[in-house]
Amino acid sequence: ILNVEQSPQSLHVQEGDSTNFTCSFPSSNFYALHWYRWETAKSPEALFVMTLNGDEKKKGRISATLNTKEGYSYLYIKGSQPEDSATYLCACPAGGTSYGKLTFGQGTILTVHP
Amino acid sequence: GAGVSQSPRYKVAKRGQDVALRCDPISGHVSLFWYQQALGQGPEFLTYFQNEAQLDKSGLPSDRFFAERPEGSVSTLKIQRTQQEDSAVYLCASSLVFGPVRGYTFGSGTRLTVV
Repeated sequence: ILNVEQSPQSLHVQEGDSTNFTCSFPSSNFYALHWYRWETAKSPEALFVMTLNGDEKKKGRISATLNTKEGYSYLYIKGSQPEDSATYLCACPAGGTSYGKLTFGQGTILTVHP
Repeated sequence: GAGVSQSPRYKVAKRGQDVALRCDPISGHVSLFWYQQALGQGPEFLTYFQNEAQLDKSGLPSDRFFAERPEGSVSTLKIQRTQQEDSAVYLCASSLVFGPVRGYTFGSGTRLTVV
């Protein structure tokens, strides 16, 4: 059973603050790491899919890094805005015959206060 | 369509009632997944289709849960004799290709409340 963990569970920041949170996953049999943003009443939106150790990806003010040897990924948000308020989910696919099936962490709920 | 469409958005069912949740994936998407998200938890895998074939149903919590995708496009998740523990958001996701190296497109989910 794949165990994916996220921390912190929730985070409150002020507009303009930069923030980051963590996703931990097993380093063995690694295939990929997905990050999703899920705003209330909307669909989870894919932010990044990362596959290589040392990968760094960026989308606007949001960036992510990946360390497959030690089994963690960081998501950074620079200059948080109220519209960044959402639940951020990371997920890893299982291998073998379950290739493609994602195991999610419990999510980090980010609230950005104006 | 432009995205993955799920209906209904909200469903209130009396305990013991049968429900059917619909997922309309992006046209041409091969892979289709169902996930269940309980309050305060991350989404948990229920089942997976590649075209019309159900390749993995290991996450279905009991034999009251049944999913189908008869023509390889629209999928229905059916829950028989609903129980209170079935209350959750049910998410559907689709992907053009088979495999996890591209992000999946999710629907907005169906929030099921069993009373």
